Amino acid sequence: DAGVIQSPRHEVTEMGQEVTLRCKPISGHNSLFWYRQTMMRGLELLIYFNNNVPIDDSGMPEDRFSAKMPNASFSTLKIQPSEPRDSAVYFCASSTSSNYGYTFGSGTRLTVV
Amino acid sequence: GENVEQHPSTLSVQEGDSAVIKCTYSDSASNYFPWYKQELGKRPQLIIDIRSNVGEKKDQRIAVTLNKTAKHFSLHITETQPEDSAVYFCAGSYGKLTFGQGTILTVHP
Repeated sequence: DAGVIQSPRHEVTEMGQEVTLRCKPISGHNSLFWYRQTMMRGLELLIYFNNNVPIDDSGMPEDRFSAKMPNASFSTLKIQPSEPRDSAVYFCASSTSSNYGYTFGSGTRLTVV
Repeated sequence: GENVEQHPSTLSVQEGDSAVIKCTYSDSASNYFPWYKQELGKRPQLIIDIRSNVGEKKDQRIAVTLNKTAKHFSLHITETQPEDSAVYFCAGSYGKLTFGQGTILTVHP
């Protein structure tokens, strides 16, 4: 199994631009999570899906952030418009259930200038 | 929601010594407590976990203990090696994982 696959690995964009991060979970995993990691705030849960349905998006910072999971093998996290304070590493993780060990992807390092 | 506090924020030990990292959680409904290791520039990786119906679990040099009454759990690493140097995160879960702030462990040769 290739694990959780995220793309791109690095993204540099200008303030105001739209950014789309992508994630392919491990086949057979029913739960998918988007986390953001910064030095100041640590690992923050943004949103998670069970069986492609968003369950909890209380961690999404504001309306500029949106996430979708159109099918069991693909999810996106979109930021529009992006701001410098969005700079962080964004991790996607998947699991067989929301209450079990998660497998993280390699992350996307986002820099907004 | 769940709140997980982790201590210490940094820990420095000599090779061969033991290291202990402690976490407390707020939601008594939490029933799953994993520990993750994150090396610089890499993804967090699960190293050990424990469920609330178990008080202790061991895997070679690492062990985790859980005290449900006091709502705290700990990671113990024995015979530390330089390759154990990393950031360690605890987490608590009742439906979703909430992470502690992390402990930077440095093992000096």
